[in-house]
Amino acid sequence: NAGVTQTPKFQVLKTGQSMTLQCAQDMNHNSMYWYRQDPGMGLRLIYYSASEGTTDKGEVPNGYNVSRLNKREFSLRLESAAPSQTSVYFCASSEARGSPSIPQHFGDGTRLSIL
Amino acid sequence: RKEVEQDPGPFNVPEGATVAFNCTYSNSASQSFFWYRQDCRKEPKLLMSVYSSGNEDGRFTAQLNRASQYISLLIRDSKLSDSATYLCVVSKTSYDKVIFGPGTSLSVIP
Repeated sequence: NAGVTQTPKFQVLKTGQSMTLQCAQDMNHNSMYWYRQDPGMGLRLIYYSASEGTTDKGEVPNGYNVSRLNKREFSLRLESAAPSQTSVYFCASSEARGSPSIPQHFGDGTRLSIL
Repeated sequence: RKEVEQDPGPFNVPEGATVAFNCTYSNSASQSFFWYRQDCRKEPKLLMSVYSSGNEDGRFTAQLNRASQYISLLIRDSKLSDSATYLCVVSKTSYDKVIFGPGTSLSVIP
């Protein structure tokens, strides 16, 4: 009963490097999300996918791209990492297809540091 | 003014105490309200929804005050395992307008 699985759990990058955060859910959920969490800021939505084949920008999309590869998987890519992207990243999913929709299940998070 | 505000705490309370947190929101068009809990260095977990009539789940009671634009979470008979950060979440009708508050930290002390 894995739920939402994120990889990697920790990563250190140098400024300008690229990387992809992977996320998969095994609950047959329609919606998937990527959030970042910074101290004192609350979770902020980066991108979301309301259903397979669709993606939309959230509150803080700049510097990121996403791919909804299939219903299970939703990846987040940093093309050219910047120190301001140092954060904890959470992938989440929910059963709902429409709006309003809140994330029901979160992955363990990826702690990303950009030097 | 931030869209969703919470007193960051920390709230340090003894076991068995009753503690209450408030969360204020700025947009009167907000439709849905929730509480999550997040343990230290863990992922958030949905705790409960907040209904207009208020709702209770065991030792936890959530209430909504639309006139004053705040929601509250009351925890009775606090347990050590209640120690966590409690996140208030407010959503509007559009899909991308789910707003998380910064959280209130609770430590229950033996």
